[in-house]
Amino acid sequence: GQQLNQSPQSMFIQEGEDVSMNCTSSSIFNTWLWYKQDPGEGPVLLIALYKAGELTSNGRLTAQFGITRKDSFLNISASIPSDVGIYFCAGQLNTGNQFYFGTGTSLTVIP
Amino acid sequence: NAGVTQTPKFQVLKTGQSMTLQCAQDMNHEYMSWYRQDPGMGLRLIHYSVGAGITDQGEVPNGYNVSRSTTEDFPLRLLSAAPSQTSVYFCASSPGVGRGYGYTFGSGTRLTVV
Repeated sequence: GQQLNQSPQSMFIQEGEDVSMNCTSSSIFNTWLWYKQDPGEGPVLLIALYKAGELTSNGRLTAQFGITRKDSFLNISASIPSDVGIYFCAGQLNTGNQFYFGTGTSLTVIP
Repeated sequence: NAGVTQTPKFQVLKTGQSMTLQCAQDMNHEYMSWYRQDPGMGLRLIHYSVGAGITDQGEVPNGYNVSRSTTEDFPLRLLSAAPSQTSVYFCASSPGVGRGYGYTFGSGTRLTVV
């Protein structure tokens, strides 16, 4: 299967700080998705990206589809305690229907 | 609107036992899939279906069977449980296949095989 490397693996930040995380692949993807997973729940879709260079926002979240199409970035501004969870990237190849998921970034926000 | 419903939420099995994890969606989605989530491994695709009567293997299909007799249901069967199948299992669905369709996930089934 495809390897999607997410970094960092975990983050501990103070409430109010900004957060940046990224996802890289050796393959070219035509779609990137970002999900958030709360403890004990399934992942929930945050942002979808369909075009190289695309920048899309969802409230305090902003994600970008990398120009090389091999990476994607997620930023969270002014973090709050409810941002705690695991953030996953997922990429879709030009061929096939499946999404491949990264290993996740665990975010802890300290009040 | 319930979305994707998985049952049971928790299950303990003995090695060699068989069981079926249930998944149902009420959104009339064509595409359904099963993932397993293990620490440090992300989500790995087990099996998927692009419509009723059609199933295919994902990255880690060994030890699992699926069938899709209706659009709504996509059960996952463990034939002879092994400790390596201890994991959290997620069912996901989407309106179609291909570009532009993100997944809706269920809340997961936590399976322990002893």
